Amino acid sequence: SQTIHQWPATLVQPVGSPLSLECTVEGTSNPNLYWYRQAAGRGLQLLFYSVGIGQISSEVPQNLSASRPQDRQFILSSKKLLLSDSGFYLCAWSEGAGELFFGEGSRLTVL
Amino acid sequence: QKEVEQNSGPLSVPEGAIASLNCTYSDRGSQSFFWYRQYSGKSPELIMFIYSNGDKEDGRFTAQLNKASQYVSLLIRDSQPSDSATYLCAVIPYNFNKFYFGSGTKLNVKP
Repeated sequence: SQTIHQWPATLVQPVGSPLSLECTVEGTSNPNLYWYRQAAGRGLQLLFYSVGIGQISSEVPQNLSASRPQDRQFILSSKKLLLSDSGFYLCAWSEGAGELFFGEGSRLTVL
Repeated sequence: QKEVEQNSGPLSVPEGAIASLNCTYSDRGSQSFFWYRQYSGKSPELIMFIYSNGDKEDGRFTAQLNKASQYVSLLIRDSQPSDSATYLCAVIPYNFNKFYFGSGTKLNVKP
């Protein structure tokens, strides 16, 4: 069966510090991968999605970037965090237009 | 214009009643429609998906899709306090690879 792992689960970072969130999927090949962010009390904002290794589409221009170095690995990064980057970050995967499955999430607080 | 819109609620229903959650979408070419449940502090989990006009039933849940009117709804029969959560509607628009989410409707089921 397919599983998705996301880490770290929580982190507190100072403004201006770098960020790296990692996500891996097991039990499937060539999944579509996604990064979403959810601000407190808000809906899910699509940040990046990828249909293959090295193929990244950005939905929202900001100080975040994403990379897909391996088929089932998706990384979200920032060189300098802003206060507005605080939120609940969710990695997800799908097979084409099938269902979307989420990881456990990473809660980021920028101080 | 938002891709997917939901009433934020909260929607309060007594235990045992039917809860009705609604969602509208803007892209007429949208192909696939999903309902997710999200408990506070947790990642969303898939409840149902629907692709064709009409009703789809799964246990206490019924999804209804009307593409002509561009809305999708979720009915929860015999509501239980454990159904209290935020319900997110998600849509895949014409360009196929992206899942767009509404802001969610918070449901409170009172014992």
